[in-house]
Amino acid sequence: DAKTTQPTSMDCAEGRAANLPCNHSTISGNEYVYWYRQIHSQGPQYIIHGLKNNETNEMASLIITEDRKSSTLILPHATLRDTAVYYCIVRAESGGGADGLTFGKGTHLIIQP
Amino acid sequence: EPEVTQTPSHQVTQMGQEVILRCVPISNHLYFYWYRQILGQKVEFLVSFYNNEISEKSEIFDDQFSVERPDGSNFTLKIRSTKLEDSAMYFCATSPWPGGDQPQHFGDGTRLSIL
Repeated sequence: DAKTTQPTSMDCAEGRAANLPCNHSTISGNEYVYWYRQIHSQGPQYIIHGLKNNETNEMASLIITEDRKSSTLILPHATLRDTAVYYCIVRAESGGGADGLTFGKGTHLIIQP
Repeated sequence: EPEVTQTPSHQVTQMGQEVILRCVPISNHLYFYWYRQILGQKVEFLVSFYNNEISEKSEIFDDQFSVERPDGSNFTLKIRSTKLEDSAMYFCATSPWPGGDQPQHFGDGTRLSIL
């Protein structure tokens, strides 16, 4: 099973920042934190990943606590199109390329107009 | 932005028949994966494939399933003697090389309906 814990659902107002938490208290030193999202029944879409440092790209920011036991995905200006299920996944660094990702149930983020 | 392409988008098949699902990876990606998602359930890993060999497979991936890359472009998943419980979305994913720092990129899936 996935080694992460996420809230089942969250609401956010359109235009506001959406902050999605994830607990991964058993994460190992060589494991990355990945975020994907799935809109309706489309394929999972890669958002961002990080190891120790905070990361930012055109889609989102990832904040990882110093002890690495939790992280937060931030969508800075949520739009209705960001309504989706968001998955937080931990993945080993070495030899992990061929391993499958372990998806949990994720957080259903609903952006309210 | 390069995409993983899957065909067909929807496949309807009689129980007991064989189906082949196809995936065109992102160019220069070397690792390929299949996942499935039964309606309302989690996305589940089936198999990974590299250099014309299976790298890893889950308990789901039994003798009913097989994968190959016959022509150097399409990556296929074959399901023999289909059962009702094989009805699901099947997703292909690819990544450039192994390593936990390499994201897997997913296609939009094939919806398989077994009647």
